[in-house]
Amino acid sequence: AQSVTQPDIHITVSEGASLELRCNYSYGATPYLFWYVQSPGQGLQLLLKYFSGDTLVQGIKGFEAEFKRSQSSFNLRKPSVHWSDAAEYFCAVGAGYSSASKIIFGSGTRLSIRP
Amino acid sequence: DGGITQSPKYLFRKEGQNVTLSCEQNLNHDAMYWYRQDPGQGLRLIYYSQIVNDFQKGDIAEGYSVSREKKESFPLTVTSAQKNPTAFYLCASSIGLSGWAQETQYFGPGTRLLVL
Repeated sequence: AQSVTQPDIHITVSEGASLELRCNYSYGATPYLFWYVQSPGQGLQLLLKYFSGDTLVQGIKGFEAEFKRSQSSFNLRKPSVHWSDAAEYFCAVGAGYSSASKIIFGSGTRLSIRP
Repeated sequence: DGGITQSPKYLFRKEGQNVTLSCEQNLNHDAMYWYRQDPGQGLRLIYYSQIVNDFQKGDIAEGYSVSREKKESFPLTVTSAQKNPTAFYLCASSIGLSGWAQETQYFGPGTRLLVL
């Protein structure tokens, strides 16, 4: 069975600073990897996803993530954060096919932006 | 605009009462999902449906029921058997190919359920 860990519950960064949110997964094969963002009181929106191929994935809003098989990680990065990036970020791991499909969401990392 | 709507935004439940949360999508997606979100716990799957008139239990189905009579609608009923229903409930949909674990899910704005 797959699992996903987001080790940081809450991160605060200054506006304009770089950002890295950590995500570690456990799965026997290469899983499907996602990052979603949730603004307060809202649903989730997909930032980016990785299935195969190039391990550096570009997403919306200037975000990118890198799949590192050796570290079982899929960390989310942004070179310069904006105040509007304050939100909760969820890493998700998908695996399996048809009736054996399964998606697990991490517990989330809340991002605060310091003016 | 295509999307997912959930209603109501807030819902209050009295003890012993069943309540129903609405979820409608106009994305022409086959698959729909219900998640429960509690603080610090991420999303947990309650039920999912890959096709009309068919649905499967997720990880925390006890105390909940669903129906899928129409492609665009997937209502969730929180029954009196659910002893701790206070949470934020999210509905989602995806295209619904057989490998749904690899599909992007599109989420509604959520319903917050509170117990009186």
